[in-house]
Amino acid sequence: QVQLQESGPGLVKPSETLSLTCAVSGYSISSGHYWGWIRRPPGKGPEWVATIYHSGYTYYNPSLKSRVTISVDTSKNQFSLKLTSVTAADTAVYYCARQPSGDYVDIWGQGTMVTVSS
Amino acid sequence: QVELTQSPSASASLGASVKLTCTLSSGHSNYAIVWHQQQSEKGPRYLMKVNTDGSHAKGDGIPDRFSGSSSGAERYLTISSLQSDDEADYYCQTWGSGIVVFGGGTKLTVL
Repeated sequence: QVQLQESGPGLVKPSETLSLTCAVSGYSISSGHYWGWIRRPPGKGPEWVATIYHSGYTYYNPSLKSRVTISVDTSKNQFSLKLTSVTAADTAVYYCARQPSGDYVDIWGQGTMVTVSS
Repeated sequence: QVELTQSPSASASLGASVKLTCTLSSGHSNYAIVWHQQQSEKGPRYLMKVNTDGSHAKGDGIPDRFSGSSSGAERYLTISSLQSDDEADYYCQTWGSGIVVFGGGTKLTVL
């Protein structure tokens, strides 16, 4: 059974960098599939952030591209997200997810709440 | 760029059926979509993929009470024999041209 678990600080100060990691169990990232981050701001629908293939190929939400980096560490079977220059608008529950062909999500993590506040 | 529109809320009685709608933006009626369910305080769960021809492929363990269909630019999720734990937010999702898009979600209340 494939499981994904997000980890990272729950509170980030404005203008700083948000960093999250997703640990994957039950499946080796090196075997394939795409892996992504989606966030859900309070009271709003989900917003796709970024996606990465195990080889390192990436693609980003155009509205966030200038501030986002997604990376993968196959040796640790995990992938990570960095979002720079955060503001209150980046406050959201962040989910990591599996995207089998880089398109739809078929497995979600439980999510981690990140609040941007001083 | 493709967009998805969902009604913010829906309600139906316990044991009844409900049909939720996800509408693709103009020019994108040939897109497949997927449905996700998010119960309160839980992570989302993939329900099914709905293709343009109405065929659908459900995720593991999704009950037969859940089904998908399609008509033009609209994609549907029908839940029959409603149970209390069907009360949740339902999101549709699509993809194309290097982006992934979600609808705003429909909050389903089971009366």
